[in-house]
Amino acid sequence: NAGVTQTPKFRVLKTGQSMTLLCAQDMNHEYMYWYRQDPGMGLRLIHYSVGEGTTAKGEVPDGYNVSRLKKQNFLLGLESAAPSQTSVYFCASSGGVVGNNEQFFGPGTRLTVL
Amino acid sequence: AQKVTQAQTEISVVEKEDVTLDCVYETRDTTYYLFWYKQPPSGELVFLIRRNSFDEQNEISGRYSWNFQKSTSSFNFTITASQVVDSAVYFCALATGGGADGLTFGKGTHLIIQP
Repeated sequence: NAGVTQTPKFRVLKTGQSMTLLCAQDMNHEYMYWYRQDPGMGLRLIHYSVGEGTTAKGEVPDGYNVSRLKKQNFLLGLESAAPSQTSVYFCASSGGVVGNNEQFFGPGTRLTVL
Repeated sequence: AQKVTQAQTEISVVEKEDVTLDCVYETRDTTYYLFWYKQPPSGELVFLIRRNSFDEQNEISGRYSWNFQKSTSSFNFTITASQVVDSAVYFCALATGGGADGLTFGKGTHLIIQP
């Protein structure tokens, strides 16, 4: 049982390049989330999904797209990376609403955009 | 809109001292959930506690204790007899309603325990 895994762990991009971050969970969770963590800012919600085939915007969705084609995977895409997207990205999942269920976090992906 | 404020950016204490991390939240919802997470230097997020708005009982878990006061919209975290291993960034977070749309985090408090 791996829990929540994120691929890759580190990545360096040039401005304008695109990439996809993969989040996978093996706990059969319905809810999945993408957060970004910037120094002094805490974690902020980018997008989330309450089930396969569904996605919704969080607090800071601009510049990102997501897809949840399979229940176990939640992909975060950057179509044209900008230096402002340099951050640590965390994926999380929960079996239900976080009021009643623990939110499990992945180890994070450190992305640098030059 | 909801908001979580952790006014203490950094706290430094000597080992074995008690330390309290403050958390003040804002929400108009009557049903909400409060959380504390620990982020050690290794970077992962470790869940510490979840508390719902209908349960104002304080909680103790070993050296950790939490004081939830709705009257002041605060959910403070105390570490008793701190240890070097407690050094980390601690985040307070809020979820409203059922919490389907994730957590709102505070900016975190960096706790340094000096030997």
